[in-house]
This record gives sequence, C-alpha cells and structure tokens, in this order.
Amino acid sequence: AQTVTQSQPEMSVQEAETVTLSCTYDTSESDYYLFWYKQPPSRQMILVIRQEAYKQQNATENRFSVNFQKAAKSFSLKISDSQLGDAAMYFCAYRSSFGNEKLTFGTGTRLTIIP
Amino acid sequence: DAEITQSPRHKITETGRQVTLACHQTWNHNNMFWYRQDLGHGLRLIHYSYGVQDTNKGEVSDGYSVSRSNTEDLPLTLESAASSQTSVYFCASSRGQTNTGELFFGEGSRLTVL
Repeated sequence: AQTVTQSQPEMSVQEAETVTLSCTYDTSESDYYLFWYKQPPSRQMILVIRQEAYKQQNATENRFSVNFQKAAKSFSLKISDSQLGDAAMYFCAYRSSFGNEKLTFGTGTRLTIIP
Repeated sequence: DAEITQSPRHKITETGRQVTLACHQTWNHNNMFWYRQDLGHGLRLIHYSYGVQDTNKGEVSDGYSVSRSNTEDLPLTLESAASSQTSVYFCASSRGQTNTGELFFGEGSRLTVL
C-alpha cells in the first residue's frame, strides 16, 4: 500500500517570504498522481496543485510550485510571496494511475503566516 | 453551480446510537468517497463508491456502512456510535474515467460522540 509522509506538523513564514512544505511518499508504481490540498479554517478542502508522475516538468500555479523528485519520491510545495490568506493546513496526497481516483493523504502541515 | 453538500454540519450524539451523515452532489459524478479527519492522522478513507449499487471498504471501515441507491447521494451510517468515532467527516466526489484525479470535497461534518 502507498504511504504519504509529511514530516513537518507546523511551519511558519513571514508575510511576503517563501516557504517550502515537504512531502515524501512510498510506492512501487511508476505512474501516479500527486496533489497538494489546502484546508483553511473554514474546513473546505481546496486543490492547490497537481503533478503527473510521467511529466518531468514541475507543476506551477501562480505563487505555488512543486519540486517533484521521482527517484527520491519527494514532492515539496513552494509558496512564494506568502500572503495572510495562505494560512491553512496543507495536505499532500497520492493517487495511483490504476483504479478510480482514491487518494491517500499525508498527516498535514499547519502553515502560519506572520504579518 | 454544481456542488457537494453535507448534513448535518455539526452533530452531538450518545454512545450506542445510530447516526447517518448525508452527502449529496449535483455534479453527476460517478465516484464518491467518505473520509474522516483526525489530528495526527490526516484524512483516512472510510468507504467509497464507483457508481450506483457499488460500495467498497476503505482503510478504517469498521463500524461504518454506506449505500448508493442513486448517483447523487452516499449516506454514511454509524451503526452504533462509539467515542472513537468522534471526528470530522468529509464527503468527496470525482467524475471517474479521467486522468485528472481531482476530488471535490464537501464542507465537512463534525460529529461528537459522548
């Protein structure tokens, strides 16, 4: 079974600075998908960014980008120019390319933005 | 706009009572999922369904059941609530037959079992 590990329970960053959240995963599969979800205090889970394992290019979405290291099974999220609205729990998730879109989540990282 | 709604948003119940959490989506998605969120555990999969009349157990299915009689709804039932089932429950859906894999989540239901 696949596992997802987020080793940083909490992180903090000064407003306008850059922060990187770590995620590692374990799988024997060669094709899969990785996700970062954001959960603000409202509890709503919001997709931040998605990476297909077969793509070598790292995904980017505005201020959010990933560093995908397939051989190391690492998938970190970089948030540039941090804003107060970025404060949330961030979950890394894995999905096999086989089967129907069941996600395995990490334990989450709580990000605090310091004004 | 299409959406996924959960009810109730908050519920307090007593040990041993049966509880049903509702989940309704208007995207016409094939796949629906129930997760529970607990501190230190992230989100763990309880049950999931790939279509009408299809249900499958996830990693923490003991004490829970689901049924899928139509595309829109996947109610989660706790047959005899236990204090260990105090948690926040999330329903999610996805279209299926797609490579995007994105799940769309409801706003969660906080359940307290006393």
